[in-house]
Amino acid sequence: EPEVTQTPSHQVTQMGQEVILRCVPISNHLYFYWYRQILGQKVEFLVSFYNNEISEKSEIFDDQFSVERPDGSNFTLKIRSTKLEDSAMYFCASNPGQGANVLTFGAGSRLTVL
Amino acid sequence: SQKIEQNSEALNIQEGKTATLTCNYTNYSPAYLQWYRQDPGRGPVFLLLIRENEKEKRKERLKVTFDTTLKQSLFHITASQPADSATYLCALEADNFNKFYFGSGTKLNVKP
Repeated sequence: EPEVTQTPSHQVTQMGQEVILRCVPISNHLYFYWYRQILGQKVEFLVSFYNNEISEKSEIFDDQFSVERPDGSNFTLKIRSTKLEDSAMYFCASNPGQGANVLTFGAGSRLTVL
Repeated sequence: SQKIEQNSEALNIQEGKTATLTCNYTNYSPAYLQWYRQDPGRGPVFLLLIRENEKEKRKERLKVTFDTTLKQSLFHITASQPADSATYLCALEADNFNKFYFGSGTKLNVKP
């Protein structure tokens, strides 16, 4: 069964540091997403990516966030200067598109900002 | 603004009974609705998708209904088992693949 893989599984960082979370989506999928989930809260949309560019982003996804697909397989989320409130689980997801509108999520990267 | 509501209180039921979870939405006209399961510390896992022209969808012990007039979906698990204990999320798509919004989920506890 194809899966979305995320690294690291857990990262602890100091406030103000840059963090990069990495994802390898399913290879033939066309749409890629980042979601976040603060402990005990809902899964929140951050950004979607299609055809090598951002297609939609939420108000959470401010200038501190960026995404990149540097090669044919990796999809990264960068947080430039982390804040305490960025502590959350970050999920990457991919979607084949073409009518099969189902998200496959990775296991998540837990980010703890101290 | 768009809103998806799920009962935030946990649903506690006895093994063997049918669990029914509700998802209500406002300010959407979704072409379809999805249900996901989330276990603690894990990513959501897709369970079922129902389209606007389908009243009911079944998969093994799972059944989903979709009432676009009431703007509501019901998710049923029949003959529930302790292994069904998890949080169940409903999700709606906006803007043609570009965004999927999730409800806050309902935690189901199935007691043996």
